[in-house]
Amino acid sequence: AQKVTQAQTEISVVEKEDVTLDCVYETRDTTYYLFWYKQPPSGELVFLIRRNSFDEQNEISGRYSWNFQKSTSSFNFTITASQVVDSAVYFCALTEMNTGFQKLVFGTGTRLLVSP
Amino acid sequence: GAGVSQSPSNKVTEKGKDVELRCDPISGHTALYWYRQSLGQGLEFLIYFQGNSAPDKSGLPSDRFSAERTGGSVSTLTIQRTQQEDSAVYLCASSIPALAGDTGELFFGEGSRLTVL
Repeated sequence: AQKVTQAQTEISVVEKEDVTLDCVYETRDTTYYLFWYKQPPSGELVFLIRRNSFDEQNEISGRYSWNFQKSTSSFNFTITASQVVDSAVYFCALTEMNTGFQKLVFGTGTRLLVSP
Repeated sequence: GAGVSQSPSNKVTEKGKDVELRCDPISGHTALYWYRQSLGQGLEFLIYFQGNSAPDKSGLPSDRFSAERTGGSVSTLTIQRTQQEDSAVYLCASSIPALAGDTGELFFGEGSRLTVL
């Protein structure tokens, strides 16, 4: 069975601090996708990134970066120089690659609070 | 509209009553998903539609839950004889099924918050 663990329930930082959100996953599949979604107070989830299990290259997008390590089954997310607008709940998710649809298994989320 | 639209945004009902939640996906998106988000929990997959058919209903928690989709567009999630444990936010998402090179992005609505008293 697939499982995603986000051990950090809530993180509080002050603006401009760097913060890393941890994600550890379990799967028996050899091919899979990993995702990060952001859920702001309005409620809708916003897609941030998808990474397939073949590609272990780290990725950077502006202030966001992702570190995928297959050896430790982790897909961590770092926000550099955090801003108040980054305050949200962040979800890590996993899906099989060959199902043809996105049956995502989500973690329980990490609430990030960025104060001025 | 441009995004996934869900209604009602909030619903309070009494235990034992039936409720219907509606999802209007992004135009042209053939795939539609229902998820449930309970307090302190992650998002739980309920059902997936491709067009009007539902090839995967494995996440529906009991036979009190059903969903349909008509015309390959609007979907309705029905909960019969609601129980207090059904209280949650029900999220709908739509997408173009994953293709080579596709980001695989799901587009979510803002959800319908259901409270069963």
